[in-house]
Amino acid sequence: SQQGEEDPQALSIQEGENATMNCSYKTSINNLQWYRQNSGRGLVHLILIRSNEREKHSGRLRVTLDTSKKSSSLLITASRAADTASYFCATGHTGGFKTIFGAGTRLFVKA
Amino acid sequence: EAGVAQSPRYKIIEKRQSVAFWCNPISGHATLYWYQQILGQGPKLLIQFQNNGVVDDSQLPKDRFSAERLKGVDSTLKIQPAKLEDSAVYLCASSFLTSPDTQYFGPGTRLTVL
Repeated sequence: SQQGEEDPQALSIQEGENATMNCSYKTSINNLQWYRQNSGRGLVHLILIRSNEREKHSGRLRVTLDTSKKSSSLLITASRAADTASYFCATGHTGGFKTIFGAGTRLFVKA
Repeated sequence: EAGVAQSPRYKIIEKRQSVAFWCNPISGHATLYWYQQILGQGPKLLIQFQNNGVVDDSQLPKDRFSAERLKGVDSTLKIQPAKLEDSAVYLCASSFLTSPDTQYFGPGTRLTVL
């Protein structure tokens, strides 16, 4: 079974707006990662946040992690049409390094 | 730097036939993963190798799926015999031994079983 649950399942916004996606998970984690997948392509690693971190930034991306609520959010600021993709959270665990992906949020940015 | 290579990109077979996928990871990456991604879902780990040893194959349907990584570099994933529910994209990824949580993915092989 998949660990992460993304919310919403789909999101449609205008170019220039911010997009927020949420991820909840069930068990203790070592870290949480966010990936992007363009249609018909492989996944691209965006950002990793460790369990002892609360917030991390990378360019237009901002990730938060609340281990007490077992949840994370990904904020994309000033979205562009090129940000149209599926976004997945993945949880990293110790002891075998198994990475478990959620079902993803499909983001559509209208030009 | 070359990325993870996979072939073929697309494959259409009939049920009960066999199929094999090939993956060449990024040079220097000791860890290699095979994922199955069914349409509308996230990737599911099938098998993870460190060098040529298996770290995790708990979700690999071993009655029909097999994988090997000879010499700790290239890897092949085989399905024999295929079922309709095996229709999916098969993704290969690789990572450095010390950074297993930053994985680099190939473009995937889209398998359709008729």
